[in-house]
Amino acid sequence: GESVGLHLPTLSVQEGDNSIINCAYSNSASDYFIWYKQESGKGPQFIIDIRSNMDKRQGQRVTVLLNKTVKHLSLQIAATQPGDSAVYFCAEKRATSGSRLTFGEGTQLTVNP
Amino acid sequence: EAQVTQNPRYLITVTGKKLTVTCSQNMNHEYMSWYRQDPGLGLRQIYYSMNVEVTDKGDVPEGYKVSRKEKRNFPLILESPSPNQTSLYFCASSPRDLAFQETQYFGPGTRLLVL
Repeated sequence: GESVGLHLPTLSVQEGDNSIINCAYSNSASDYFIWYKQESGKGPQFIIDIRSNMDKRQGQRVTVLLNKTVKHLSLQIAATQPGDSAVYFCAEKRATSGSRLTFGEGTQLTVNP
Repeated sequence: EAQVTQNPRYLITVTGKKLTVTCSQNMNHEYMSWYRQDPGLGLRQIYYSMNVEVTDKGDVPEGYKVSRKEKRNFPLILESPSPNQTSLYFCASSPRDLAFQETQYFGPGTRLLVL
């Protein structure tokens, strides 16, 4: 079935290192993709999004890469900080699904001091 | 402060007892949505609303109802809750319809246990 999913459920990095969180998707008909961050006990928080006709987009300390050939999305966090520890979700807005979002399962990022 | 609020934050109920989870936003947003979050399944969309009196089903609408009589409020109604509706529920809103660079703001969540 169609899905948006993540390669790894957990990722542990050292403070100051770069983090890469991956997401695979199977539906080619999408408008854009979004990355969310969810801290413990809180609702998801928008980080960055990327349109399906783009390959790369940069924000503050974050970069999202989209490879449509292999249907792969990644979130890169530069100089990871303890405050980056959270669950990260990718989500997809499909062109054929109206105003609906489809989320991946999430990756738990742990930053070690 | 711009925010999405949900009430209650925690709720324990019994099978079949009707309940309503309220959601309110103070940002004059047109788009509002309800999600449920379950371990291993991630976030799944229940219902969404494009504007007052305009609602539509998400991916998992069975067992839920919504209404949008006012722009700021979007209550989630469980007419006859069942144990499989035990979950963490999030309300969200965005200024307009979901679109590139249109940030969606999430509430703090409502944890529901149906016995």
